[in-house]
Amino acid sequence: KAGVTQTPRYLIKTRGQQVTLSCSPISGHRSVSWYQQTPGQGLQFLFEYFSETQRNKGNFPGRFSGRQFSNSRSEMNVSTLELGDSALYLCASSRSGREADTQYFGPGTRLTVL
Amino acid sequence: GNSVTQMEGPVTLSEEAFLTINCTYTATGYPSLFWYVQYPGEGLQLLLKATKADDKGSNKGFEATYRKETTSFHLEKGSVQVSDSAVYFCALSVPEGGNKLVFGAGTILRVKS
Repeated sequence: KAGVTQTPRYLIKTRGQQVTLSCSPISGHRSVSWYQQTPGQGLQFLFEYFSETQRNKGNFPGRFSGRQFSNSRSEMNVSTLELGDSALYLCASSRSGREADTQYFGPGTRLTVL
Repeated sequence: GNSVTQMEGPVTLSEEAFLTINCTYTATGYPSLFWYVQYPGEGLQLLLKATKADDKGSNKGFEATYRKETTSFHLEKGSVQVSDSAVYFCALSVPEGGNKLVFGAGTILRVKS
């Protein structure tokens, strides 16, 4: 069974640009969550999508947005990039999105903002 | 609010030593508890989990017991290997939060041969 895939694996952007990251969940999984990982702030929850609806959102500015498609694939977008957005962005999928569900993580997209 | 506190690292051990990584939590409601591991250059992998008090999660020689009375979920392994070198994250989720995970800061483990 294929795991969670994320594309691209690495990105370099400049301040003010925007970026779109993609996540393909494990087949049959309907919940997709996104996390930001930085050395200073650690792992922080961005948002969760279930059946194309945003079900939960973390404390991030509106520059961070996402969506989920009918095949459960998800994208997140960051507009007007800032230096502080440099991070590893991790996507995780789970079957039902319940709190005890195991979440399976992808390898991440490493975003560098110059 | 919900939070997780882990012992600071790095933790450096010799091969075959006993490992304990402490984890305590604060939660509104009755959380599920998880340990994830991150190897260099990779995403997170679930190591083990426990969803109710006194449950013991175990996997690959690692164990952790959900202790509601001490709000703890300490990770243990009887004999570590060099291949266990990684970053270990304790995390929780609560029913009101869907499956949003709240993570601890992570503990770096280095095992020397």
